[in-house]
Amino acid sequence: DAKTTQPPSMDCAEGRAANLPCNHSTISGNEYVYWYRQIHSQGPQYIIHGLKNNETNEMASLIITEDRKSSTLILPHATLRDTAVYYCIVRANNAGNMLTFGGGTRLMVKP
Amino acid sequence: DGGITQSPKYLFRKEGQNVTLSCEQNLNHDAMYWYRQDPGQGLRLIYYSQIVNDFQKGDIAEGYSVSREKKESFPLTVTSAQKNPTAFYLCASSLRLAAYEQYFGPGTRLTVT
Repeated sequence: DAKTTQPPSMDCAEGRAANLPCNHSTISGNEYVYWYRQIHSQGPQYIIHGLKNNETNEMASLIITEDRKSSTLILPHATLRDTAVYYCIVRANNAGNMLTFGGGTRLMVKP
Repeated sequence: DGGITQSPKYLFRKEGQNVTLSCEQNLNHDAMYWYRQDPGQGLRLIYYSQIVNDFQKGDIAEGYSVSREKKESFPLTVTSAQKNPTAFYLCASSLRLAAYEQYFGPGTRLTVT
């Protein structure tokens, strides 16, 4: 069973904020929310992760709802180079728990 | 530059032949992973290794084999027993098995005809 649900595709205008949603209604208390992205024909790249507090780094912001059942990845000023597939993953940080990459959201940033 | 290298980027083989994909990292990471990606799909875990001389099957290990004789290297052999070997293969590493960030190589696109 998929642990996360993401829209298959989204568009965003260059320079605008891209808000990528993720539902994870069955998340457990010890599971983190991770975001990776994969530019076409390249290996995935880690973006950000969080447990329950909102997180921000140089790439993006992660907003997690209070009940932790959903989250949003925000790219504040999307550029054409942000066009990629974005994967939302939930995982507990215990040895043996692997990252499970589902279908992701294909974000197209348009000029 | 620290990172993960995979070679070659494109590989072509005839059906029935075994083929070995290379993965090398100079990040001093203990854990390494192999994933397979089919067109339009997410990644699926083939094998992973927590430490030298140790490796475990992932979700789709049938038809594949690995070795971990050195910390830096984690080669993947696609055997003739793998029914549908044509795919994009990605290698990754992390500081330890449960580390939050995995670093991925550029991938090898294998085509078997």
